[in-house]
Amino acid sequence: GQNIDQPTEMTATEGAIVQINCTYQTSGFNGLFWYQQHAGEAPTFLSYNVLDGLEEKGRFSSFLSRSKGYSYLLLKELQMKDSASYLCAVRDSNYQLIWGAGTKLIIKP
Amino acid sequence: GAVVSQHPSWVICKSGTSVKIECRSLDFQATTMFWYRQFPKQSLMLMATSNEGSKATYEQGVEKDKFLINHASLTLSTLTVTSAHPEDSSFYICSAIPGVSSYNEQFFGPGTRLTVL
Repeated sequence: GQNIDQPTEMTATEGAIVQINCTYQTSGFNGLFWYQQHAGEAPTFLSYNVLDGLEEKGRFSSFLSRSKGYSYLLLKELQMKDSASYLCAVRDSNYQLIWGAGTKLIIKP
Repeated sequence: GAVVSQHPSWVICKSGTSVKIECRSLDFQATTMFWYRQFPKQSLMLMATSNEGSKATYEQGVEKDKFLINHASLTLSTLTVTSAHPEDSSFYICSAIPGVSSYNEQFFGPGTRLTVL
């Protein structure tokens, strides 16, 4: 079956760096997405990786290793507004998005 | 660009009634829209893929007669929850893929919170 694993919850301090991991087992691979979702709101797109390596976008970076079925989202200079759930999603061979359960990130002052 | 709206943003209804939720792509045409359901502290669950001008494709376990989807135009899809029951209370979110998006990422509507009494 298809499976995406990410930690349920993480806590970090304002101004620090946090890495949220995601491992996946899917039928084929056509890209990996990270979305941010604040409580009670819809997800918003953060990043997309289809080739191995690191994609940097401001304070957020996303890394992919296809051979390991692994990705991480790196958040730098954490701000209180970064408190949210972070969803990892993989697009499989049928171009269907397979969603992880999300990682709730709690930022403390 | 790539804005998706939903209406209503929240609705409370009595058990046994039907509720219609609209999803609109405001500045692009979407031949395909997606309907998700999300229970508290859980991830998104794809309910169905809505295709303009044809029948929706439902995921396994989703009752097509209970969750009626109509994709009448390239900018509008509707989800009707028929004979709603308290267990249907959830956060319903639609999404769409603009034809010219960078990575074919999905853009989400703001969601509709349904509470069935």
